[in-house]
Amino acid sequence: KAGVTQTPRYLIKTRGQQVTLSCSPISGHRSVSWYQQTPGQGLQFLFEYFSETQRNKGNFPGRFSGRQFSNSRSEMNVSTLELGDSALYLCASSLGTGEEKLFFGSGTQLSVL
Amino acid sequence: TQLLEQSPQFLSIQEGENLTVYCNSSSVFSSLQWYRQEPGEGPVLLVTVVTGGEVKKLKRLTFQFGDARKDSSLHITAAQPGDTGLYLCAGFNTGTASKLTFGTGTRLQVTL
Repeated sequence: KAGVTQTPRYLIKTRGQQVTLSCSPISGHRSVSWYQQTPGQGLQFLFEYFSETQRNKGNFPGRFSGRQFSNSRSEMNVSTLELGDSALYLCASSLGTGEEKLFFGSGTQLSVL
Repeated sequence: TQLLEQSPQFLSIQEGENLTVYCNSSSVFSSLQWYRQEPGEGPVLLVTVVTGGEVKKLKRLTFQFGDARKDSSLHITAAQPGDTGLYLCAGFNTGTASKLTFGTGTRLQVTL
């Protein structure tokens, strides 16, 4: 079956702009989680969506937001980009039933200039 | 804030050597997972350990969950170049907002 698809793969933006990243989970998976990965901070949890509702949220500012559609696809938006937002953004899909295996996409590499 | 500290941070070894990666926390986790991430890709799950003291083997990889469920280790026997990558431990605690807490990572390079 198809894996987790993230688009775009690479993105270059300038400070102050906004960006939208997309994630298509594995068919049948209802949970989508987003993570930010940087060399200095490692993998940090942004938020999780399950059945179109945000179920968990990490410690990121309100500039980071997301949503999930009825087909479980999810988007993540970052407004007023800062240099420190440069990172690999990963999404992971799962059935959403508990402590379970996460399937990660290849990520979107965002560079903010 | 739950923290998972991994050691060592970097490891460069030759093919055929053995190695152990450690994952330590002051918090108790209900289960712990190990992932491997290769450049340009997302992490891929290797194993999940649930019971304190549990040992799981995956070919040349041996995973152990500490008795108190606060720490874990990954031992690789006779490392091969294909083992190269970033190894991440990650803990589940359904009582926290951060559903899955990732460790700081261990970057392993295995050379011929």
